[in-house]
Amino acid sequence: DVKVTQSSRYLVKRTGEKVFLECVQDMDHENMFWYRQDPGLGLRLIYFSYDVKMKEKGDIPEGYSVSREKKERFSLILESASTNQTSMYLCASKTSGRADNEQFFGPGTRLTVL
Amino acid sequence: DAKTTQPPSMDCAEGRAANLPCNHSTISGNEYVYWYRQIHSQGPQYIIHGLKNNETNEMASLIITEDRKSSTLILPHATLRDTAVYYCIVSARGGSNYKLTFGKGTLLTVNP
Repeated sequence: DVKVTQSSRYLVKRTGEKVFLECVQDMDHENMFWYRQDPGLGLRLIYFSYDVKMKEKGDIPEGYSVSREKKERFSLILESASTNQTSMYLCASKTSGRADNEQFFGPGTRLTVL
Repeated sequence: DAKTTQPPSMDCAEGRAANLPCNHSTISGNEYVYWYRQIHSQGPQYIIHGLKNNETNEMASLIITEDRKSSTLILPHATLRDTAVYYCIVSARGGSNYKLTFGKGTLLTVNP
């Protein structure tokens, strides 16, 4: 059974802190994604990676960075957390072996920045 | 910029078929129609996708009109656990950018 896990379900941080959100997939997928989900705005793509050490900006990369040192792990980094980064963060992965867009999502991390 | 239009909410009786419509009048030839759903407090879950032929899997059926400007997701025997927000997404096949653009979706409530 395919699985995408995220390091925390709930996280509370203070403004200015450096925040790491970790995502691990066990499906040997090449592509991994970070989205954020906000009421009324749907899911928005922050960054994605199609291979180890490769990354591309999504629609809203400002204030975020990512790291993909190993194939199974994709980290989202908030260098200096701000209150407008309070959101639900969702990680997803996808194989390159298929040309369709079936993405597998993790359970999400609800981040609150105070 | 939403490429799909869905009703904000729908109700369905348990055990009956749930038919969720989606309009995608500007869909281009290389774009597929995908359906995902999101149960409260969980990540989205892939349901089904199609190009122009009708598709069926263990979860649902997808009916796409001949002009491809609209589609319907059918859950043949809805259960209470099917209560979720259902998203209709159009996405191009191929390339390295597999971005999924989720709109607001349809909140399906299955009632006992």
